[in-house]
Formats: sequence, structure tokens, C-alpha cells
Amino acid sequence: DAGITQSPRHKVTETGTPVTLRCHQTENHRYMYWYRQDPGHGLRLIHYSYGVKDTDKGEVSDGYSVSRSKTEDFLLTLESATSSQTSVYFCAISDVGRSYEQYFGPGTRLTVT
Amino acid sequence: GQSLEQPSEVTAVEGAIVQINCTYQTSGFYGLSWYQQHDGGAPTFLSYNALDGLEETGRFSSFLSRSDSYGYLLLQELQMKDSASYFCAVRDGGGGYGGSQGNLIFGKGTKLSVKP
Repeated sequence: DAGITQSPRHKVTETGTPVTLRCHQTENHRYMYWYRQDPGHGLRLIHYSYGVKDTDKGEVSDGYSVSRSKTEDFLLTLESATSSQTSVYFCAISDVGRSYEQYFGPGTRLTVT
Repeated sequence: GQSLEQPSEVTAVEGAIVQINCTYQTSGFYGLSWYQQHDGGAPTFLSYNALDGLEETGRFSSFLSRSDSYGYLLLQELQMKDSASYFCAVRDGGGGYGGSQGNLIFGKGTKLSVKP
């Protein structure tokens, strides 16, 4: 299995608080992604990174920011969490030229109360 | 707009063959991927079709017809462990070294239940 970890695995937070989720990989893959998964919506791309300090928005980026200061770490921040951001968040990685074959982390279940 | 359509649920019996269809309408198309996800787990990559035709990987096969904007995943000799959700995903770009190499747009998934 690809070496991808996510932390925390579960988190409950209150509306209006900032939250940061961490994705760590040991595969040295250049591309990293953050998705959210909600019932009835499949997986939706939030942000992605194509290198250190190189990031871009995905389909549902409003309310989220990301940072990548090292190849192995990709952080997702909810600046001010809202109940609509309650979801399961997956990080994924892919190698150069192989964006069709992504390896996913175990996921973080976030509940915003 | 971009859309992928796949059945929400499919039920089959152990040992049977099941086909999960996926039709897509996207602004860019570079290939169709399939992923499996067990309840509570992470998605795992199954297959990818960039060109028309059938790709076979063990009990699983995937087919693509670009002219029909259609693909399917075929699961043979079904086992109980195949009970999971299956997602098709369109790769909307390709190639290049910098920037995006095409992101995946996922369908909403098909929940397959395999009965004894």
C-alpha cells in the first residue's frame, strides 16, 4: 500500500473555529489532492498541488485553503468551520503523468457542530 | 456542465457476473478510471481506459467507447468481498510536466451488494 497517512482521523469542532488537516506521504509523489466525500455526491476535489508551494483550486474550494511547504506534507485548512463542511476528507497522491491512478489516505471524519 | 451517470445500486449473487455502466458528459476527456471503496474505507484504484476497448485485470474488466461517451466495469465470478461502492472517474486533462496533469471528476458511485 502507498504510504499515506492523515491526521487527525476524527475531529469534532465548533462552528467558527479554524481546523487544519494534515496529509503525509512517503512515496515522493509530486501530485497531492484533497477531496471531500458526502452521501450522494461521490468524491469532490477541493484543492490540489503539483509541487512544493504550487497549488490550485478544485471544484469546491470555497472556505478552504491549502499549503505545501515540503514534498511529503499537504495541509488543508478550514479558516472558519461551518456545519456544511461536516464531511469525510480524503487526501490522495499520484505520480507524474498518472493522475488517473491516485492512492488515497485513510480519511478524516470531520464534524462541525 | 460536467456529469457522470452510474446506477446508484446493483445487487447480484455470488458467482455471477455484473456490469456497472458509466456515461459521461465532460468538457475534457482523457480517460476513464474505476475505483472501489468498501464501507468505511478509502477508494482504491482498479483500472484505467484511455483508448476504446476492453482492459482485463483478473476477474475485473473495464470497457470504454469514446464515441458513445460510455464505459463499464465488469466483475466476474462475484465474491462476497466484492460488496462495495464502485466509482467511475473521468480524467479531464493529460500530459504536461507542470501544473495540472488532468484531475479526476468522480461519479456518485454504485453500491454493489453481493448475496450468497
